[in-house]
Amino acid sequence: GQQLNQSPQSMFIQEGEDVSMNCTSSSIFNTWLWYKQDPGEGPVLLIALYKAGELTSNGRLTAQFGITRKDSFLNISASIPSDVGIYFCAGQGRSGSRLTFGEGTQLTVNP
Amino acid sequence: ETGVTQSPTHLIKTRGQQVTLRCSSQSGHNTVSWYQQALGQGPQFIFQYYREEENGRGNFPPRFSGLQFPNYSSELNVNALELDDSALYLCASSPLPIAGAAFFGQGTRLTVV
Repeated sequence: GQQLNQSPQSMFIQEGEDVSMNCTSSSIFNTWLWYKQDPGEGPVLLIALYKAGELTSNGRLTAQFGITRKDSFLNISASIPSDVGIYFCAGQGRSGSRLTFGEGTQLTVNP
Repeated sequence: ETGVTQSPTHLIKTRGQQVTLRCSSQSGHNTVSWYQQALGQGPQFIFQYYREEENGRGNFPPRFSGLQFPNYSSELNVNALELDDSALYLCASSPLPIAGAAFFGQGTRLTVV
């Protein structure tokens, strides 16, 4: 089945630093989504990307849909303590709207 | 506009028992998907319901079954519970089955002992 490789697995940064994480796939996706999950909660949608090459921002977050349709990255600028959490990428392929998730990036922000 | 709501939030069951989890989709969304999230992992797709019919299924055994009702709410049923079924069960709704972002509920934490 489809596999998503998400990296890095964890990041420890200082408040104010920029963060970058990415996902790569062995298969093409038609949609890339980025979610943030806090402990004991469901994932919250951050950014949705629907077109290869698309670059989309949501406040301090910027994500891009790779031109090959097999990768995506998420950048967070000027990190703040509330950015702490687990970030997941998810791809949606042609077979339907099932989402394939990466393993997550655990972000820790030190004040 | 109400978001996706799931009940119960926590549940403890004994191995071999059966469980039913419930989900109310976001207003205006007619597609519901269920995911299982083991500790430290990303969510895994169980199945999706659209117009009260199963519309895609992941690699889960038949003892995982579901329903969607005319108001688009949904149930996930798991029979003959196993210890490995312990996980966070997430429901997600979306406006269309083919495209569109999925919005998740807060999940049901199931513990099988």
